Amino acid sequence: GNSVTQMEGPVTLSEEAFLTINCTYTATGYPSLFWYVQYPGEGLQLLLKATKADDKGSNKGFEATYRKETTSFHLEKGSVQVSDSAVYFCALGLSGGYNKLIFGAGTRLAVHP
Amino acid sequence: EAQVTQNPRYLITVTGKKLTVTCSQNMNHEYMSWYRQDPGLGLRQIYYSMNVEVTDKGDVPEGYKVSRKEKRNFPLILESPSPNQTSLYFCASSRRQGGGSEQYFGPGTRLTVT
Repeated sequence: GNSVTQMEGPVTLSEEAFLTINCTYTATGYPSLFWYVQYPGEGLQLLLKATKADDKGSNKGFEATYRKETTSFHLEKGSVQVSDSAVYFCALGLSGGYNKLIFGAGTRLAVHP
Repeated sequence: EAQVTQNPRYLITVTGKKLTVTCSQNMNHEYMSWYRQDPGLGLRQIYYSMNVEVTDKGDVPEGYKVSRKEKRNFPLILESPSPNQTSLYFCASSRRQGGGSEQYFGPGTRLTVT
């Protein structure tokens, strides 16, 4: 079946530290991959996406590369800020006419000054 | 401003008392979905709609109903809520079908059923 596995949190970092949040997936067909971010008390916002193998999505200093050979889409940022504290969700979007996202469990990131 | 709105944001109710959570989008999107978010499980799709009068079940539809009489609105109905429906609910919309489409989420409705 289709699924997404994310590293468990919480992840606690100091400001300016390097961030990696691991995400692997299982899917049939050719899914698109997404990272969504949820700030406290808010809905989810799209952070970045990649629609085919070897694509790199990037936004606000975050990056993730769609790796088909390792079925991964790890999120990275070179220098985190306190304002990056949030819950991050990896998700896959199924091909074939569906309008559905399959989410990982989410990883909470806390950045301290 | 492009947005998805949900009401109410917070709701506490008792078992068996029918309730409706409204969802509205102002982006003229064809596709709308409802998700529930539970700790450790991420978000799971409840129902989705591809257009007016076209709806279908997601992964966890039991105990829920939806309707799509207008393009902008997609209410979620709990006919007889139970405590296991205590959750955080999100409505989402997107412009076109297909796995590559960005979905826009509402702010969420936190429901507690006692």
